[in-house]
Amino acid sequence: SQTIHQWPATLVQPVGSPLSLECTVEGTSNPNLYWYRQAAGRGLQLLFYSVGIGQISSEVPQNLSASRPQDRQFILSSKKLLLSDSGFYLCAWSVLPQGSGNTIYFGEGSWLTVV
Amino acid sequence: AQKITQTQPGMFVQEKEAVTLDCTYDTSDPSYGLFWYKQPSSGEMIFLIYQGSYDQQNATEGRYSLNFQKARKSANLVISASQLGDSAMYFCAMREGLGGSQGNLIFGKGTKLSVKP
Repeated sequence: SQTIHQWPATLVQPVGSPLSLECTVEGTSNPNLYWYRQAAGRGLQLLFYSVGIGQISSEVPQNLSASRPQDRQFILSSKKLLLSDSGFYLCAWSVLPQGSGNTIYFGEGSWLTVV
Repeated sequence: AQKITQTQPGMFVQEKEAVTLDCTYDTSDPSYGLFWYKQPSSGEMIFLIYQGSYDQQNATEGRYSLNFQKARKSANLVISASQLGDSAMYFCAMREGLGGSQGNLIFGKGTKLSVKP
């Protein structure tokens, strides 16, 4: 069966510090990978998605970036965190090809607090 | 324009009773999928049920069923025999077909369900 893991689960970082959140998927090949952010009391916002190694699409301009160095690894990064980057970050995956019926499955999430 | 609307910020239900969580959507794409997710206080987003725009029957998954009314563009989630563990945020989401932006999920703002003992 397929599983998705992301870490760290919680993170408290000072403003201006770097960020690295990692996500790995097991049990599937060539997945679509996603990074979402959820601000307090709000729905999810798509940040990045990837359909393959090295292929990253950004949905929202910001000081975050994403990379996919391996087929089942997705990394969310920042060189300098802002207070507004605080939130709950969720990695997710779905199978290819894309279409309405392909469910997106989420990881456990990472709580980021920028202080 | 908002594509997914959940008009109930919060709902209460008595344990063992059924509850309906409302969701309306807006799309001009004839091919789309509708999803419901549960988010407990731990934060994990748990997939519950899926309904395709061409599906003739309403989707069911255990105690969850989706009341799909295509003409009204509504996809309400029905939870039967509520349990205390059902207390959580519930999100309705839509994914447009291949003509959309890479099939990304569009989420509503959620409904907080509280089950009373």
